[in-house]
Amino acid sequence: AQSVSQHNHHVILSEAASLELGCNYSYGGTVNLFWYVQYPGQHLQLLLKYFSGDPLVKGIKGFEAEFIKSKFSFNLRKPSVQWSDTAEYFCAVARYGNNRLAFGKGNQVVVIP
Amino acid sequence: GAVVSQHPSWVICKSGTSVKIECRSLDFQATTMFWYRQFPKQSLMLMATSNEGSKATYEQGVEKDKFLINHASLTLSTLTVTSAHPEDSSFYICSASPTSGSDYEQYFGPGTRLTVT
Repeated sequence: AQSVSQHNHHVILSEAASLELGCNYSYGGTVNLFWYVQYPGQHLQLLLKYFSGDPLVKGIKGFEAEFIKSKFSFNLRKPSVQWSDTAEYFCAVARYGNNRLAFGKGNQVVVIP
Repeated sequence: GAVVSQHPSWVICKSGTSVKIECRSLDFQATTMFWYRQFPKQSLMLMATSNEGSKATYEQGVEKDKFLINHASLTLSTLTVTSAHPEDSSFYICSASPTSGSDYEQYFGPGTRLTVT
């Protein structure tokens, strides 16, 4: 079974700081990659996704992620965070042609004003 | 658009009873719905995939007789936890894939907190 790894479960940073969250997966075949965000008290929402093409993907709210196939990674970045980015962020992977998602354990991000 | 609701949002039940959780796609039709379970500080674990009008496909290690899934229409899937025990206490989340969209799009519900006493 494929697994998805997210490190640094708790991240605390100040507004305007840059954020990078790592995501690594174990499956060796073609994959579809996702980052979801869960704001306090809300449901999971899609931030961005990668299926094919340009490995640098831009999502909502200034987030971007880069797929590096050789490293089995799909790291999420935001150059300058805001207090409203306080949330839990989940990386998810699906095998190509399969819509079953495997999630990482998530990163709890707290942005201090 | 693409709103998924769950009912109830939280439920407390006694050990040995059964609990039904509903998942509805409010403004779209969903061929496929998914059920996840999330333990505290853990990731979402896919329990099963349900397709409208057919039997659900359960992930390895998930007891199909304990977690009954019914997907009777394109807007409703239900998860029934039968003979619940304290170890079934968890956060259950559903998602739905629109019929007309990409197979890989999933819209998530807000989750249901189940506590078994």
